[in-house]
Amino acid sequence: EPEVTQTPSHQVTQMGQEVILRCVPISNHLYFYWYRQILGQKVEFLVSFYNNEISEKSEIFDDQFSVERPDGSNFTLKIRSTKLEDSAMYFCASSLRGTEQYFGPGTRLTVT
Amino acid sequence: DAKTTQPNSMESNEEEPVHLPCNHSTISGTDYIHWYRQLPSQGPEYVIHGLTSNVNNRMASLAIAEDRKSSTLILHRATLRDAAVYYCILRVLNQAGTALIFGKGTTLSVSS
Repeated sequence: EPEVTQTPSHQVTQMGQEVILRCVPISNHLYFYWYRQILGQKVEFLVSFYNNEISEKSEIFDDQFSVERPDGSNFTLKIRSTKLEDSAMYFCASSLRGTEQYFGPGTRLTVT
Repeated sequence: DAKTTQPNSMESNEEEPVHLPCNHSTISGTDYIHWYRQLPSQGPEYVIHGLTSNVNNRMASLAIAEDRKSSTLILHRATLRDAAVYYCILRVLNQAGTALIFGKGTTLSVSS
């Protein structure tokens, strides 16, 4: 069964550094998303992406964040200058028709 | 977004049916009812969704009240692997690709 994959599984970075989290969505899907979950808290929406542009973003997704689909298979989330409070589990999701979303296993980001 | 209310936690025994309730008294006519679950240390997983009629799939059944102000996710025979946080989420029909807004959900414990 096709699945969403994410790399790396765990990323440790120093405050102020740039990080890129990578996702490979399910191959024929058209809608892509990033969510995050701070330890012990709710899953929070960051951004959705469709037709090569952002379709919706949350207040969390400020100028420090960007997304890109550099080729036909990858979908990336960049955090320009990480802060301690960016430490969280980051989940990528994809959807064929924008209805049910399929999530990856997540990347644990630790900012020190 | 229309709000949902779920119990914080529920307990079940293995191989017994589980009925997970969700109240959504302010649901609008275009809101679909979605259920996702999150197993420990994993990303959210799509379970089922519906609009008005009851729905069945290989994972679960969704029973929707006639006035649509409540719904129940039914796991027909709980297994230990069904121990997870279950989220009931409303999404507008025509906003394909928009965010899933996760609440705290119901934490289901399953005992052998």
